[in-house]
Amino acid sequence: DAGVIQSPRHEVTEMGQEVTLRCKPISGHDYLFWYRQTMMRGLELLIYFNNNVPIDDSGMPEDRFSAKMPNASFSTLKIQPSEPRDSAVYFCASSLGTGVAYEQYFGPGTRLTVT
Amino acid sequence: TQLLEQSPQFLSIQEGENLTVYCNSSSVFSSLQWYRQEPGEGPVLLVTVVTGGEVKKLKRLTFQFGDARKDSSLHITAAQPGDTGLYLCAGNPALGGNQFYFGTGTSLTVIP
Repeated sequence: DAGVIQSPRHEVTEMGQEVTLRCKPISGHDYLFWYRQTMMRGLELLIYFNNNVPIDDSGMPEDRFSAKMPNASFSTLKIQPSEPRDSAVYFCASSLGTGVAYEQYFGPGTRLTVT
Repeated sequence: TQLLEQSPQFLSIQEGENLTVYCNSSSVFSSLQWYRQEPGEGPVLLVTVVTGGEVKKLKRLTFQFGDARKDSSLHITAAQPGDTGLYLCAGNPALGGNQFYFGTGTSLTVIP
């Protein structure tokens, strides 16, 4: 299996521009998670889906952030408009089921820089 | 609000030394996981502990879950340069929910 695939790996954009991050989970996994990692705040859960349905989006910073999962093999995280404080590494992870011991498989991340 | 605090934040040691990393919280967790993350990559799961007082070993790594399920430790014996990386603990709150909350991380450097 190719693992979780994220694109692009690096994104540099100017403040005010729209940014779209993409994720392809591992085939057969029914949960998908979006995280953001910064030095100051560590790894933060933004939103997660179960069977393509958003379950908890309480970690989404504000209305500028939105996430969709139109099918089991694709998800997007969109920031519009982007701001310099959005600069971070964004990770997508997927898992098969949940429970006390489920394992999340992380993608390589997208490093976003907003100037 | 950071549910899980890790210490130390940074650790630099010589090859062959032993070390312990701590993960503490005032919250109770149903389970706790340890991940290792290398530069430019996503975290990779090392172990999951579920029972209070549980001890798991993975080669030179020993993981322990506190009796009250509020804390955990990771002990590495005879550290090697390949152990270098960011170690993250993640807890699934006992109050429910399917998500894991990640700790602040410990950045380990093992010098040859």
